[in-house]
Amino acid sequence: GENVEQHPSTLSVQEGDSAVIKCTYSDSASNYFPWYKQELGKGPQLIIDIRSNVGEKKDQRIAVTLNKTAKHFSLHITETQPEDSAVYFCAASKSGGGADGLTFGKGTHLIIQP
Amino acid sequence: NAGVTQTPKFRVLKTGQSMTLLCAQDMNHEYMYWYRQDPGMGLRLIHYSVGEGTTAKGEVPDGYNVSRLKKQNFLLGLESAAPSQTSVYFCASSYGAQPQHFGDGTRLSIL
Repeated sequence: GENVEQHPSTLSVQEGDSAVIKCTYSDSASNYFPWYKQELGKGPQLIIDIRSNVGEKKDQRIAVTLNKTAKHFSLHITETQPEDSAVYFCAASKSGGGADGLTFGKGTHLIIQP
Repeated sequence: NAGVTQTPKFRVLKTGQSMTLLCAQDMNHEYMYWYRQDPGMGLRLIHYSVGEGTTAKGEVPDGYNVSRLKKQNFLLGLESAAPSQTSVYFCASSYGAQPQHFGDGTRLSIL
């Protein structure tokens, strides 16, 4: 089955700096790659996603890039703010996000230092 | 519009006891999922459903059963709870190939 590796497990950056989280996947048939943010005591919340027919997607301070050849994708957060502190998960799916669920990475704890 | 609601939010069980976790969604989504989250791990898929009356196994289905008798509800059952099932359980739902929406979890401890 699919295997998703996520790095780093913990990332500490100064407020205002950029943060980058990287994921690799094993199954070349995967075609949907969402990123979730999880705050303490809450469920994961989708922040951005990308499909395999697109190489990059941006939404304000957040961007995701996908390299299908290398089977890796990355989350970029610019101008980090204290409210960006949370655990971030990448995930992959072969069904475009639908029928057979998501395979998640183990998460990155992002800490924004004031 | 509540989205995905999980009941209960917390529960403590003794080994061997049984219980059912309830997930309800009000978005008319076809697909529903149960995941478990353990410390240092991502979420792992237990079971999922692609429509009313259907269920399928995910990555870690052993020790769990599910039912989807109504489109809006997805039940996760533990017939004989074991300490290894101590975890946070998340339910999610989606419409077709659209993103999954998650509930806020059920924290389950088994002593």
